[in-house]
Amino acid sequence: RKEVEQDPGPFNVPEGATVAFNCTYSNSASQSFFWYRQDCRKEPKLLMSVYSSGNEDGRFTAQLNRASQYISLLIRDSKLSDSATYLCVVKRDHGSGNTGKLIFGQGTTLQVKP
Amino acid sequence: DTAVSQTPKYLVTQMGNDKSIKCEQNLGHDTMYWYKQDSKKFLKIMFSYNNKELIINETVPNRFSPKSPDKAHLNLHINSLELGDSAVYFCASSQSRTSGFGETQYFGPGTRLLVL
Repeated sequence: RKEVEQDPGPFNVPEGATVAFNCTYSNSASQSFFWYRQDCRKEPKLLMSVYSSGNEDGRFTAQLNRASQYISLLIRDSKLSDSATYLCVVKRDHGSGNTGKLIFGQGTTLQVKP
Repeated sequence: DTAVSQTPKYLVTQMGNDKSIKCEQNLGHDTMYWYKQDSKKFLKIMFSYNNKELIINETVPNRFSPKSPDKAHLNLHINSLELGDSAVYFCASSQSRTSGFGETQYFGPGTRLLVL
């Protein structure tokens, strides 16, 4: 079993739709949580961090449930430009200095259609 | 201005060859990483250096040897390339923090390695 699991999709949605991605992680020692976005043949880029109380950035809302070890990302009013792969990422303390280790999920592919 | 750059962008080579990939960051970060993204798109850490010191060394064959001449550079040398080494290799950098939330990692554009 992978340490971070996501449904790879693809999710095909029309413009304007609301879509939600889920992610589970298995290591309860995970400290920090993120969603990264990766466009086709490009590098991953940080979309948003995920805070325990949940957080919102424009059309994007991230939630964390530590008890269930579950992270979600909600995208409202989908745009064509949202088409990408969304990577669920958790950070574990590596124990050396203050640098942790990022563990990536496989990613969930979103295709927004006109 | 390119924050994290890698060369080459594409690398096609024969099995058994030795090759190097270079990475440079101009963000002033103290930590750099090498990741491998395989054909199934899993992105997995290989190595991490903090202030030129190796701090993460995942289960990677000895054929892979990272070298950090200074904080701004982290190179990856691969000996005796195998078919299974074909993947996209991403370099990343971050600034370690003494407190607060996890630091953001900034990725380079990737090096697409194809071993024939």
